[in-house]
This record gives sequence, structure tokens and C-alpha cells, in this order.
Amino acid sequence: AQKVTQAQTEISVVEKEDVTLDCVYETRDTTYYLFWYKQPPSGELVFLIRRNSFDEQNEISGRYSWNFQKSTSSFNFTITASQVVDSAVYFCALSEAAGNKLTFGGGTRVLVKP
Amino acid sequence: DGGITQSPKYLFRKEGQNVTLSCEQNLNHDAMYWYRQDPGQGLRLIYYSQIVNDFQKGDIAEGYSVSREKKESFPLTVTSAQKNPTAFYLCASSIAQGTYEQYFGPGTRLTVT
Repeated sequence: AQKVTQAQTEISVVEKEDVTLDCVYETRDTTYYLFWYKQPPSGELVFLIRRNSFDEQNEISGRYSWNFQKSTSSFNFTITASQVVDSAVYFCALSEAAGNKLTFGGGTRVLVKP
Repeated sequence: DGGITQSPKYLFRKEGQNVTLSCEQNLNHDAMYWYRQDPGQGLRLIYYSQIVNDFQKGDIAEGYSVSREKKESFPLTVTSAQKNPTAFYLCASSIAQGTYEQYFGPGTRLTVT
């Protein structure tokens, strides 16, 4: 069965600090997809990234970057130079190629203080 | 603008009453999903639908029912059989069922007293 673990329940930083969110997953499939979503206080989940298991290249999008390491089953997310607007709950999720659903981690709440 | 709408944002009901949450999308997506989120927790899948007139149970379907009569609409009924219905309910859609990213609506916060 697939499983996603986000061990950090809450992280508090001061604006302009970098913050890294950990995501560890379990799956028996060799083909799978990993996702990150942001949930601001309004409640709606916002899609950030989708990565397949065959693409281990790190990705950068503005202040966001992702580090996918298959050897450690991790897909970590870093926010560089954090801003107050980054305050939200961030979810990591996994979908197996043969599966039919997303499995979400428990989420990490990020609080960025001015 | 393309997107997913859920209404209402807040809903209050008395125990023992059925209540239907609406979800509409104009993204032309085939697949639609319903999730439940409890405070401080992740999302759990209630039901999903890959195509019109077809749907499957997710991990926590007991006490819920759905219909998919139109591609754009996937309403969720929370029945009186659901023991703990108070939660935040999120609807999502994707191009197809499976490994594609899902796009979410703004959610409905249901409180049952």
C-alpha cells in the first residue's frame, strides 16, 4: 500500500529565511507520481508540482525548488527567501501508475513571521 | 474563467438531516473527486468518478452518496448514517482518472449539531 509521511507538523520561520519541507513516501510500484500542494488559509488546495518516478532532476520555479531522491524515497520542497504569503499548509501526495487515487501526507504548516 | 465551484462555503445542519454539497467544474475534466479534511489532518478520499454515470468508493465512503449525471457536476450527499459529518469537504477534478494533477474547489465547511 502507498503511504506518504510528512514528519514536520509545523515550521515557523522569520521572513527571508529558507524553509525545507520533508516528504518521505512508500510504494511498491516502480512507476509513480509525486505532487506538492499548497493550502492557504482560504482552504483551497493549489497545485504546485507533479513529478514522475523516472525524472530525478531537481526542479526550480522562482523561489520554490524540489529535490527528488529515489534512493531515500524522498521528495523535499524548499522555499527560498520566505515571505509572509508563503504561510500555508503544504501537502505532499503520491499516485501509483496503476492506481486510482492520490494519497496525501498529513501536511506541514508553515508560518512565516514578518 | 475555468475552475471548480463549490457552494455554499459554510453549511449548518441539524443531526439526522441529509445534506447535499454541490460541485461544478467547467474545465472539461472527465474525473472528479470528493475529499474530507478534518482539523490538522490530510485529505481522505470519499468517492471518485472517472466518467458520467459511473463512480467508485474511496477510503471512507460509508455514510456518503454521490451521483454523476453530467460531466460538469458531482454532488455529494452526506446522509444521517455518517457518524461524524462535521468536516471540511473538498471537490477536485482532473483531466482523467489516475496520475494527473487534480485541481481543487474552494471547499465547503459543514457543521452538524
